[in-house]
Amino acid sequence: GQNIDQPTEMTATEGAIVQINCTYQTSGFNGLFWYQQHAGEAPTFLSYNVLDGLEEKGRFSSFLSRSKGYSYLLLKELQMKDSASYLCAVIRGDYKLSFGAGTTVTVRA
Amino acid sequence: DGGITQSPKYLFRKEGQNVTLSCEQNLNHDAMYWYRQDPGQGLRLIYYSQIVNDFQKGDIAEGYSVSREKKESFPLTVTSAQKNPTAFYLCASSIGLADYNEQFFGPGTRLTVL
Repeated sequence: GQNIDQPTEMTATEGAIVQINCTYQTSGFNGLFWYQQHAGEAPTFLSYNVLDGLEEKGRFSSFLSRSKGYSYLLLKELQMKDSASYLCAVIRGDYKLSFGAGTTVTVRA
Repeated sequence: DGGITQSPKYLFRKEGQNVTLSCEQNLNHDAMYWYRQDPGQGLRLIYYSQIVNDFQKGDIAEGYSVSREKKESFPLTVTSAQKNPTAFYLCASSIGLADYNEQFFGPGTRLTVL
């Protein structure tokens, strides 16, 4: 089976940094996506990692270690609008996506 | 504007009735997907289509059916055989099925079976 684990909830203060971890065990690996999803809305793309290392895009960065089956999403300079669910999704060997249950981040003033 | 549309946003049906959820895209994408999302669980793949007139079962296809007669459209029918149909249904599309192709999601349809 496919196993993708993320923390259920995280809380942080406006302006702070939060790191959301994702560990995975899947049948094959062809890359990893991070999506943001506001309540009741569609997920929107944040980042894509296929090689080991850090990908930076503005306030958001994503890291991948294939040997450890581990990724994290780093959110810097948190803003209230960053309150959302963050989904880790692995592209399996059959090119289908398996999603984690998501991490709900609450940003407090 | 290019994008994916799903309608309606909220849908109510009586138990035992089939219901069809629509999904249309004008992104000229070849691949389309249906997922369901339940509280506390990740999105799960129901069906996907790589090209017109072709579709494949995903991880939880039982009780669902699809068609892909046009590139732009990928409707999902939730049949009475689906034991727990109440869920948030998301349609997505991508350029192709290849690993680097980001999937774009529609706004979703929340189906409630009474």
